[in-house]
Amino acid sequence: GNSVTQMEGPVTLSEEAFLTINCTYTATGYPSLFWYVQYPGEGLQLLLKATKADDKGSNKGFEATYRKETTSFHLEKGSVQVSDSAVYFCALSPVMNSGYSTLTFGKGTMLLVSP
Amino acid sequence: NAGVTQTPKFRVLKTGQSMTLLCAQDMNHEYMYWYRQDPGMGLRLIHYSVGEGTTAKGEVPDGYNVSRLKKQNFLLGLESAAPSQTSVYFCASSYSRDYRTDTQYFGPGTRLTVL
Repeated sequence: GNSVTQMEGPVTLSEEAFLTINCTYTATGYPSLFWYVQYPGEGLQLLLKATKADDKGSNKGFEATYRKETTSFHLEKGSVQVSDSAVYFCALSPVMNSGYSTLTFGKGTMLLVSP
Repeated sequence: NAGVTQTPKFRVLKTGQSMTLLCAQDMNHEYMYWYRQDPGMGLRLIHYSVGEGTTAKGEVPDGYNVSRLKKQNFLLGLESAAPSQTSVYFCASSYSRDYRTDTQYFGPGTRLTVL
């Protein structure tokens, strides 16, 4: 079946540090890959996505590259801010012959950024 | 636009009681979803709907029922609540039936405690 594995948190960083959150997946074919972010007390919101191999998704300084050969979609940011403190979820949307998609989520990685 | 809204925000039930969670979206989306979020488990799909009058089971449907009588509303029912259903419940909706471009929009969540 489909699955997503993320690094366990919390990830604790100082402001302006470099961030990497690892994500690997198991799926058949070429799924779409997503990163969602959940700020405290809120629902999830889409951060970035990639729909085919070697695509790079980017938003708000975050980037992730779809690596088919390593089945990975690692999230990176060059300089984190306190406001980036949140829980980050990696997710995949598999190939569906019926034409609709569902999301399979990883367990989430909490990021804590201190001033 | 309000996006995706959920009612109520918080609820405490006793074992065996019933309740209905309401999700409403004003984006004219065809697809709607109910997830539950538990610590260390990520999000798991309970039920989903691909259009008005349709529902389908997700990963963890037992103990829940759903209805989609109107396109903009998706109701999640618990007929006889159990402590194992203590969780945060998220509703989501999406427009596209193309898995490559699908983005799910999430509500703020309902925190349910079953004593």
